[in-house]
Parts: sequence; C-alpha cells; structure tokens
Amino acid sequence: ETGVTQTPRHLVMGMTNKKSLKCEQHLGHNAMYWYKQSAKKPLELMFVYSLEERVENNSVPSRFSPECPNSSHLFLHLHTLQPEDSALYLCASSPGHGTDTQYFGPGTRLTVL
Amino acid sequence: AQSVTQPDIHITVSEGASLELRCNYSYGATPYLFWYVQSPGQGLQLLLKYFSGDTLVQGIKGFEAEFKRSQSSFNLRKPSVHWSDAAEYFCAVGSQGGSEKLVFGKGTKLTVNP
Repeated sequence: ETGVTQTPRHLVMGMTNKKSLKCEQHLGHNAMYWYKQSAKKPLELMFVYSLEERVENNSVPSRFSPECPNSSHLFLHLHTLQPEDSALYLCASSPGHGTDTQYFGPGTRLTVL
Repeated sequence: AQSVTQPDIHITVSEGASLELRCNYSYGATPYLFWYVQSPGQGLQLLLKYFSGDTLVQGIKGFEAEFKRSQSSFNLRKPSVHWSDAAEYFCAVGSQGGSEKLVFGKGTKLTVNP
C-alpha cells in the first residue's frame, strides 16, 4: 500500500459503544494529524503528533482519545460519542509538523446513532 | 493568526468552460498556500502549492494558481473544465517557518454541466 490509508472506511456506532479508527502512512513522514469534517463546516484540526509526541490538542472532548504508537500509525479511540460527532474523520501526514505539505487518507465516515 | 476566505460556496460551469476559484487569505508575513481537491466520500488531494519563487504555480490535472501579494489572493484556474473536475476545492494557508498549523477555507463546491 502507498500513501495514507484509513480503516474502517465506514463506521456506525451507538452512543455507548467503544471503537477505534486506524490510520497508517507509508510515506516515511514524521507528523500525523486527525481532522474532523462536518457538513458545511471548515476542516477542524483535532490532534497533531510529531515524532510520536502530541504537539497539539485543539480543545477536543475527552471522548476522543488519540494514540500514536510509532511514526507510521495513528489511532483515534472513540467512546460515549454523541450524534453530533457524526462526520468524516480524516487522517493526514507530513514530513515535519507545522505547515509542511500534508497528505490525506480517504477518511472514515462515522455515524453515531 | 492566519485565516482563509473562499467567497463562493458553490460554482456551476459548463464542460469546456474556463474556471476560476477565489481564495483570499489573511496573514502578516509571506504565507505558504495550498489548493486541495476532494471528490465525494474521499480525502483531500493536493493540487498545487506555493512556497516561494514564481508566483504562477502549475499543479496536477491542468490547474494553476497565481499568488498576488497585493490582493492577498491565491486564485485557482483551469482553462477548460472536464466533467471529472466536479468536486469540492479547498484553499489553505500556513506560515513560513512551519511552526503554525494549516488553516483551511470552507471550500467551494464545483458542479460541471455537460
């Protein structure tokens, strides 16, 4: 596989469920990002990891918990979500963090019932 | 902090017509500028970027953009649109020096009529 991959591509979960989103990058990059994309809203940056350390957390509710075990993998653990959390969750990576060019995965379409 | 405005939420053009998508940014210094495209249900794909040098930047799929510092603009153009160009287009701005995050505009949805 090349580029940035995300699994699953679609996820439906109840408000009491626990699930995880996975992102993997095959580009040798050092930074990884989680974004939330809701209808009619700009892209919202959620988390930034650089060399496996979290460098940004944009006031995201604690029901979203990121994990970056190595520079190629990024997870987003979800628990007790709300219906308003339904959105497309995009992962991206870049050579360094900040404003290096970011390369995006296809996203996970999350629906919270 | 930087910001991006894409004034047009939705644009419709006929296939074969020319296209210009507007992007205005606010930033105190020389910015890094990007255009991304997103097809339905997909992630964002980089079309082109401006870091420095020639202010007319060529990208993939026949797109180009021009950085105009005096107008704080980075408009995206294509001389002849194809039906496959129908998608949503996002402009983004970052700071040179790389210490700040990318800020994205709200996007412009492009519809192409046959």
